[in-house]
Amino acid sequence: QSALTQPASVSGSPGQSITISCTGINSDVGGHNSVSWYQQHPDKAPKVVISDVNNRPSGVSNRFSGSQSGNTASLTISGLQAEDEAHYFCSSLTATDTVVFGGGTKLTVL
Amino acid sequence: QVQLVQSGPEVKKAGASVRVSCKASGFTLDNQHINWVRQAPGRGLEWMGWISTYEGNTNYAQNLQARVILTTDTSTKTAYMELRSLTFDDTAVYFCARGWKHFDPWGQGTRVTVSS
Repeated sequence: QSALTQPASVSGSPGQSITISCTGINSDVGGHNSVSWYQQHPDKAPKVVISDVNNRPSGVSNRFSGSQSGNTASLTISGLQAEDEAHYFCSSLTATDTVVFGGGTKLTVL
Repeated sequence: QVQLVQSGPEVKKAGASVRVSCKASGFTLDNQHINWVRQAPGRGLEWMGWISTYEGNTNYAQNLQARVILTTDTSTKTAYMELRSLTFDDTAVYFCARGWKHFDPWGQGTRVTVSS
């Protein structure tokens, strides 16, 4: 199972919005409404910020939103803040009930 | 407080096995999926497998299924990951995480170092 494709890095200034893409295939991203997004700060465990494509877990800022079109899912962070600087990973269920992650995207807040 | 607490760091010789534990706090392991995910230094997340405490089923990543065993002890609310025949490429931080389609919470991570 190949990793989902994410850009290696994105950047934005405080207050701006950024979008991170996550591209898979029909048997993972395109076949299940199960894309999740995780935020990971250095030397910390990942934390879920979006589940099931566009569901925001309790306690997650409403500046985080998710969407999907076909085999590509997207995470949008609006009103960028310094604390948003982190690595972001997407994941999806697959046709064989396994899980595949994206390679990760480093977000830099300028 | 719902959390997963993992065992401490391990240093192992190449060829040996390692077992990492993951204890649930604030919830039971009944009817749960517990996943294991690893992260090599400076690298991304790699899903290793899950175990369902409901039926005892497991599902492993194809590249690891010959070497990894996931188990749980619901009486002590503890999940275990054993990885055999360690190589240098197994040096990583290993995380447990609850869930099926999305993972929450995560354990704090256990660093496993494979040396010669």
